[in-house]
Amino acid sequence: QVQLVESGGGVVQPGRSLRLSCAGSGFTFSNYGLHWVRQAPGKGLEWVAVIWYDGSRQYYADSVKGRFTISRDDSKNTLYLQMNSLTVEDTAVYYCARDIGVVAVHFDYWGQGTLVTVSS
Amino acid sequence: DVVMTQSPLSLPVTLGQPASISCRSSQSLVHSDGNTYLNWFRQRPGQSPRPLIYRVSNRESGVPDRFSGSGSGTDFTLKISRVEAEDVGVYYCMQGIHWPPVTFGQGTRLEIK
Repeated sequence: QVQLVESGGGVVQPGRSLRLSCAGSGFTFSNYGLHWVRQAPGKGLEWVAVIWYDGSRQYYADSVKGRFTISRDDSKNTLYLQMNSLTVEDTAVYYCARDIGVVAVHFDYWGQGTLVTVSS
Repeated sequence: DVVMTQSPLSLPVTLGQPASISCRSSQSLVHSDGNTYLNWFRQRPGQSPRPLIYRVSNRESGVPDRFSGSGSGTDFTLKISRVEAEDVGVYYCMQGIHWPPVTFGQGTRLEIK
């Protein structure tokens, strides 16, 4: 069955970096666009970034543009999110989600999330 | 960015009674292909979001038929015909047609009275 498993979260100081991973299984990883969505403690869902199925395009939320980089390694069935210059506002659970949409975004599977805490 | 506005934000419901959540978008979610792209998710406490409805009214695989979606243009509704205990959680609408960014509603917390 389709699984997405995030890892790499933890506690990090403001200004430092962290890289999240999302391992996919149970499907042909290279056929799908993938997104990161985050959720600050007690708050709603915030879209973060997307990478096209072939890695040709990436888009970011304004709140992370220039600091975060989304990438993928299809040989490892893994999605990444490199997060630099972290601030306390980046504290959240980070989810990866698979997109099966053609015309519009359509999330069909989500990972369980990994918690990033930015604190001094 | 398209703003998604949900109401109510808190919804206490008696078991077995119906529930209804509204979602309004700041722009029409009708695509040039004629379809309208609005999704609903439920997030139970401590869990990741689960897709419920796509393209306004289509239930995802495994979603009970007591869940239904309706609406058009900028106004949408998620209805639960008879609330069960397992329906507790936060419900989000989402648009993925005018993106980036993908945008979500603020969430509606459904609880049992």
